[in-house]
Parts: sequence; C-alpha cells; structure tokens
Amino acid sequence: QSVLTQPPSASGTPGQRVTISCSGSTSNIGNNYVYWYQHLPGTAPKLLIYRNHQRPSGVSDRFSGSKSGTSASLAISGLRSEDEADYYCAAWDDSLSGYYVFGTGTKVTVL
Amino acid sequence: QLQLQESGPGLVKPSETLSLTCTVSGASISSSNYYWGWIRQPPGKGLEWIGDIFYTGTTYSNPSLRSRVTISVDTSKNQFSLNLSSVTAADTAIYYCARRITIFGVALLNWGQGTLVTVSS
Repeated sequence: QSVLTQPPSASGTPGQRVTISCSGSTSNIGNNYVYWYQHLPGTAPKLLIYRNHQRPSGVSDRFSGSKSGTSASLAISGLRSEDEADYYCAAWDDSLSGYYVFGTGTKVTVL
Repeated sequence: QLQLQESGPGLVKPSETLSLTCTVSGASISSSNYYWGWIRQPPGKGLEWIGDIFYTGTTYSNPSLRSRVTISVDTSKNQFSLNLSSVTAADTAIYYCARRITIFGVALLNWGQGTLVTVSS
C-alpha cells in the first residue's frame, strides 16, 4: 500500500492543461525530491521529472513538476492524444531504513 | 547505448523462489554513479519498488518485501539478480529491472522492457 496518494484519474481535451497531485508526508516528499514517471501499457515506464522539476533530455517542456511541503504536482500542458497513459509520482522515504516509494498512479484520458 | 534485459522463468510454483537476472549492456555495472534495481507491477495495479543494489553490494529494499528479497550483483558478468522467496499468487507481476542514476537523485532513468512472472501450480 503506497504512502503517496494520487487521484485515480484525470482527463482533458486536446490542448488543455491537466494537473495531477501527489500527497505524501514529511518522511518522503517533505524531506526528499519528487520524481514523475509516464507508463504506457506494454512499455517500460519513462522518467519525466526528477528532483521536483527537472526534465531529462528529450522530455517535452509540456511536462512540468512542482513541490510544496508534503505535496507535489505534475502539469501537462497542450494535452495530446499520446499523453494518454498512467502517471506515477515517486520519492525516497526515510523511514524503515529508507526505501523508494511510488504513488498510487493516475490514469490520464484524452477526451 | 544502454540496454537492460530481464531473464528468468515465466512460471513459478507457490512457496518456491522466484529468480530473475538483469543483463546490462552499454554501461559498466561497477560504476559509482549507478544503483541497479527491481520494480514490479501486478496485473491491474500500480508500480511497486522492490529494491536495488550498488556494485559494492550495498542494498536497499522495500520494507514490505524485505524478509523475502535478495538482490545480488555479478560484476564479472555485468549482471544483477533478484531472488524472491516463498512466493504466492500475489507475487504475479511484470518485473522490471532499472538503473538509478545518483547524479539525478534517485531517478530511475533506464528500464528494461519487463518480464511477466506468474505464480501458479
């Protein structure tokens, strides 16, 4: 059972902006960086955001991340059909000798 | 170009040990910049981090699986492995190996394609 909570679903029409939230605690998001992954069925997950808001080379600037306190969010601007996927936040958790934890996941649907 | 490839049995009997290997090509597993790890996704569920290992043998693991998980590294073969003991149907999942790059924090930048492991008699 994940300690990072995300809404199960989000949706928007092409061109819209969609925001996904990720809620945690001081032992994870509050004291550590947040990461975001995109996962399309049948493929390997893809890192979208690292260290709260940084984008790896090759990731579109339509994806942006932010963090405040024990919560974080991922925004997708200019929504496209290819953005339809599952999105997961993640963070290191300092409790129980330390471990990496994924959020519950959000399914983004492009209407 | 970095490639990670999972290999191992696709079917494991309940109470037995699940064993998977990830073969790394295009990068040295002995680099001080990387950790090498395992993640799984049960059918219809989300991603779950299992654990990872540094080339020196230092490991981290998910507290919920810690008592059953062993992760090891073979630098001579540029491989790392996962053993999960006493499996049940709940361990049925797609298992991914991945590389964590320390300069990016704890980002899992590179992933294998995943391998489905079914636990069934």
